[in-house]
Amino acid sequence: DQQVKQNSPSLSVQEGRISILNCDYTNSMFDYFLWYKKYPAEGPTFLISISSIKDKNEDGRFTVFLNKSAKHLSLHIVPSQPGDSAVYFCAASSGSNFGNEKLTFGTGTRLTIIP
Amino acid sequence: EPEVTQTPSHQVTQMGQEVILRCVPISNHLYFYWYRQILGQKVEFLVSFYNNEISEKSEIFDDQFSVERPDGSNFTLKIRSTKLEDSAMYFCASKTASSYNSPLHFGNGTRLTVT
Repeated sequence: DQQVKQNSPSLSVQEGRISILNCDYTNSMFDYFLWYKKYPAEGPTFLISISSIKDKNEDGRFTVFLNKSAKHLSLHIVPSQPGDSAVYFCAASSGSNFGNEKLTFGTGTRLTIIP
Repeated sequence: EPEVTQTPSHQVTQMGQEVILRCVPISNHLYFYWYRQILGQKVEFLVSFYNNEISEKSEIFDDQFSVERPDGSNFTLKIRSTKLEDSAMYFCASKTASSYNSPLHFGNGTRLTVT
């Protein structure tokens, strides 16, 4: 049951360029979306989130775009830095689970920034 | 910055044995979670816990699993009789109740190996 999909298992980007990570979802009840970054031997670290009432949220070098009609979101990192090399997970939850926040995760995209 | 801490970082146990995975959530957080990631697979929700009771649990969280908040700081996951397929990284997470749109903060995980 792949409600959240990240179709690119890996992505390589030159340092200084833009990294774009994509995520698709199928459950129309999802209304809160998050991106997490994960280094080896560490837990997921929260990066940025977006509520379904918005179509864009920006925090420094990170911007998340949400296209509800296409059930698609993307994470833009610009400029990309070597420390951004990690696995990025897209996650989603439904407002009907307020507080319970059962997050449904994608399979992750391994981003490698080439110096 | 406050963080979720998990112990041990790695636990090896024999099939059929009981294990207890321990977590200290961030001190002012009120919602607690366990997730797991089997090698090569997605991060999966196990259980959420609020106000000293389970809020929601997944189909994975069967009678072999239990959670407890024995005091004001610890949050534990017990697996009563471990199976080979319980081998995974187990992540504890917590969140504040300040708003619906507050992210989960994850610990670094406990790698459970069942032999």
